[in-house]
Amino acid sequence: DTAVSQTPKYLVTQMGNDKSIKCEQNLGHDTMYWYKQDSKKFLKIMFSYNNKELIINETVPNRFSPKSPDKAHLNLHINSLELGDSAVYFCASSQGNSATNEKLFFGSGTQLSVL
Amino acid sequence: QKEVEQDPGPLSVPEGAIVSLNCTYSNSAFQYFMWYRQYSRKGPELLMYTYSSGNKEDGRFTAQVDKSSKYISLFIRDSQPSDSATYLCAMPFYNQGGKLIFGQGTELSVKP
Repeated sequence: DTAVSQTPKYLVTQMGNDKSIKCEQNLGHDTMYWYKQDSKKFLKIMFSYNNKELIINETVPNRFSPKSPDKAHLNLHINSLELGDSAVYFCASSQGNSATNEKLFFGSGTQLSVL
Repeated sequence: QKEVEQDPGPLSVPEGAIVSLNCTYSNSAFQYFMWYRQYSRKGPELLMYTYSSGNKEDGRFTAQVDKSSKYISLFIRDSQPSDSATYLCAMPFYNQGGKLIFGQGTELSVKP
């Protein structure tokens, strides 16, 4: 059973297009995240949601819009894709919302390539 | 200066070797320290989790924290080819909802 699943696994698209990545977790966790991993493997938080409420919104272009229909799902919509958006996007979840002992469970990632 | 520094490697060792992976950090507010392992084309998975200075052992893995030097280490004993992966150190910001600051990751290859 996949704990955190995201689709699609690969996404190849043209500059200027709009695309979405979906994420679902079956762990019963309250908090979900989007992280971005660039070509140098730097992994950086983008957003987090706790029970459908936006908690963290890092300095991310407003072309990126997360949406959480319920606490088990967190989707990421990207408008007007740019070359620099090419990266691997990871969804993650954690049980609570305490920064003291957050153990994140990651999905397998969505490799986005913008041509 | 990055908040968390980690040598990206790659690091190549023979099977059975002892591996030492390290991170330095600049923010003295960090209190918890984690090591994640990431296999190729997979998401990171939590490997070790420590609080405060000292050692924590789990099987072949030992995590060490030296807060006075702002230096953390992960030791792998009797390394196996299955340990080949990228190892990322991570630290959560207190009271910021699980925001983890990751090191760049060290790519490790264990040769049979």
